[in-house]
Order: sequence, then C-alpha cells, then structure tokens
Amino acid sequence: SHELSQPPSVSVSPRQTANVTCSGDKLRGKFVCWYRQKPGQSPVLVIYQDNKRPSGIPERFSGSNSGDTATLSISGAQAMDEADYYCRTWDSGSVVFGGGTRLTVL
Amino acid sequence: QVQLVESGGGLVKPGGSLRLSCAASGFSLNFYYMSWIRQAPGKGLEWVSYISGTGNIISYADSVKGRFTISKDNAKNSLYLQMNNLRADDTAVYYCARDLGQLVGADYWGQGTQVTVSS
Repeated sequence: SHELSQPPSVSVSPRQTANVTCSGDKLRGKFVCWYRQKPGQSPVLVIYQDNKRPSGIPERFSGSNSGDTATLSISGAQAMDEADYYCRTWDSGSVVFGGGTRLTVL
Repeated sequence: QVQLVESGGGLVKPGGSLRLSCAASGFSLNFYYMSWIRQAPGKGLEWVSYISGTGNIISYADSVKGRFTISKDNAKNSLYLQMNNLRADDTAVYYCARDLGQLVGADYWGQGTQVTVSS
C-alpha cells in the first residue's frame, strides 16, 4: 500500500473540472508536486510547490494543499488530459509517491 | 536543452546483477540532485534512490537498500545504478530524473530502460 492515497480513477466530462486528491499524514507541512503520465511516455511535472505550474503547462492545471490532503484540479478538462496522475512529496529524507489516479475524460 | 538517456537494462536471472547508466546533457550533474525512479508493469511510480550534486548525500528506498548502489561521474556527466541480488519484483522500467528536491520535484526525466528479472 502507498503512504499517499489517491483514488484509482476519476472521470470527468469534457469542459468540466476534474479534481484528483492525494492524502496522507506525510503531507502535513510538506510541499507536493504532481506528474502526468500518458501511456508509453515518461512522467511530466505539471505542478510543483503545491500550486505552481512549470512553463508550458496550461493554466487549467492548478493545485492546492491543506492539512493532510493535496488536490490537483484540471478546469475545462480536455481529451488530451486523459492520463495517470501521481502526487509526490518528501518525508524524512525519502521521496514518496502516491499510487496514481487514472483520469478519464468522457 | 536538458536531455537524459538511460541504458544498461536487459534480462537477468534472479540473483544476478545489472548496472544502469544515465547520460546527462544540457546541464551539469555537479549542481543537481539526481534520482532513479522505477515503474513495474501496470503499476505506479516508485522512488528508488537519489544522490546530491556533490555526491555526499545519498538515500535509498527500503526495498533496495543493501542491494542497489547509486553513484555518478561528474566528469562524464553520468549517473549510475548498480543493482545486485536482483529479484523478480525488481522488474520495471527504470527512469533517471533530475531532481530539484522538495520544492520542485523531478523536472526532467529520461525515456526509461527496461529491467526484467526472470529465470
């Protein structure tokens, strides 16, 4: 089992907002980043330091982190956003990933 | 531009060894943490190890501690992962990534190299 819990799957209708959560005690007081991974591709950083977007990531991607739950939000979801999403944090000198969430846009 | 290219994966028998390499370009390993992250077939991401720019800070996941060794050659701008006593559950795609730590995370990833442990 993973120390950061993510729902295995989330579905969203096109143009609606998708929310992917990441929860766990290890998140308290820690920064979170999020990765998107499409089939057969390497992961891509989409959110860092809880809510910052790297260059090239669309504004529809946003993040928040409060207490023991972090949330990745994708507003106006598009078919191209279908992917697996992973949260990540650091704890006691180790890196911790969530189990991943498959986002489906339908 | 930043590029990471892994190599060295393959098929190995249980108990065997492999050495993965990651050639970096577009930046200097001297100044960045680097991580190895793996992904078993159909599974999620699992952090394996990281090493600091100076090489004096190293950490391993419990699942590989005592069997895997991370190292780097700054002159060759290359990162390595020596994997010994391999087990079937080490089968995965292994990625190297430039890691900016707690604030940013891993901002560049290689394409991955497949490691299969099977008799």
